[in-house]
Order: sequence, then structure tokens, then C-alpha cells
Amino acid sequence: GQNIDQPTEMTATEGAIVQINCTYQTSGFNGLFWYQQHAGEAPTFLSYNVLDGLEEKGRFSSFLSRSKGYSYLLLKELQMKDSASYLCASHAYSGAGSYQLTFGKGTKLSVIP
Amino acid sequence: DGGITQSPKYLFRKEGQNVTLSCEQNLNHDAMYWYRQDPGQGLRLIYYSQIVNDFQKGDIAEGYSVSREKKESFPLTVTSAQKNPTAFYLCASSHTPGQGVGTNQPQHFGDGTRLSIL
Repeated sequence: GQNIDQPTEMTATEGAIVQINCTYQTSGFNGLFWYQQHAGEAPTFLSYNVLDGLEEKGRFSSFLSRSKGYSYLLLKELQMKDSASYLCASHAYSGAGSYQLTFGKGTKLSVIP
Repeated sequence: DGGITQSPKYLFRKEGQNVTLSCEQNLNHDAMYWYRQDPGQGLRLIYYSQIVNDFQKGDIAEGYSVSREKKESFPLTVTSAQKNPTAFYLCASSHTPGQGVGTNQPQHFGDGTRLSIL
């Protein structure tokens, strides 16, 4: 089975740093994706972690610990445009040569002045 | 420009009616997916296809049907058997996913179709 947990909502101040956590219990786990979704829009790809450790990409970084079933997305120098939902998704083997993404419910981040 | 096109953007369904949502991609992706998103919920997988003329059920396939006659196209039909069809429907595509390092094959999403009941 697949189970992914992330906080429902977070609020942070413009210019600050925020960490969005995600825990997962996934059979056939292969890696972890983070997506950003602005209200009413399609999700856009942010990052993908396969190995343990931190992947840095500009203001955004993502961390994975496979042994702990844990990931986080770190957003630095927050901007108002970062207000969005952040979706954690586990990438896992589902059998017969197929892989699937299972999404968490998303964390709605509000950036305030 | 390459991308995924979903149409229509908004769709209304009458009771007992089947409706079809279109999804076309020109990214040369082998795999295509349909998700449903309800308010405050994550994306739930309806159907996916990794190759032409083949598709598999996702977690919530009941009341839906798909076809994959062409690599570029993966239409979703919401049948009258789907009793709660009101949702935001997202189509995605990717290169064939694989395992391990170097298999970063993110799914690219269309802009979605909002389906409502009349």
C-alpha cells in the first residue's frame, strides 16, 4: 500500500525560509517528487530525489531519507509568488513493469508580507 | 512549443450522460496518465497507459473509461456510472519511467478540465 502525509497548511513571511515535510510508507519505492500547484492551475515539477541527501536547485532544495521514509522541501528567500500548494509524490514500482506516482494531499503555503 | 493540451477547460454533464475529456501531447512521451483532484485532496490516479493500445486501471477507475489508439492522444470518458463526477481532471505525460538513479522522468501536466453536473 501507499501512504503519504504532509501538513495541510503553513504560513511564512516574505524573505524567510520554510521547510515542508513529507513522510511516506510506500512499497516498491523508487524516488520522491515535489510539485508546485498554484490555485486552479496544473502542478509543475520542482524536484526528484532518488538517493539520500540534499538536492539544491536555486531557492528550492529537497531532501530524502529512504531509511526514515522522510523528505522535505526547503524554500529560501520566500517571495509572494511562492504562495501555492506543494505536493509530495512517491514514485514506486506497481508491478508488470509499471511505475506510478502516489500524491499526498498537498501543503498549502501562504506567504505574508 | 511542445506541451500537453486538455480540452475543454470547463465541461458540464447532464444526468445519465457520458462525456469525453480530450488530452493531446506533442512531447513524444510514451506514458500518459489521468488524475482526478477534489478540493483539499491530492491527485488520485484514474487510468494510465505506458504504450499505445495498452492501459491499466489506477486507484479510482470505476465509472471511467479510456483509449490509447495513438501515442499523442489519451481521451478519458466519464460515464453515467460515475455518480460523483464533479472534480478537476488533470492529464499528464512522461517518458517511460524506470528505476533508480537517472530515471528522473517527471510527469508534465495539462491545464486541466473542470467538470460539473448540471
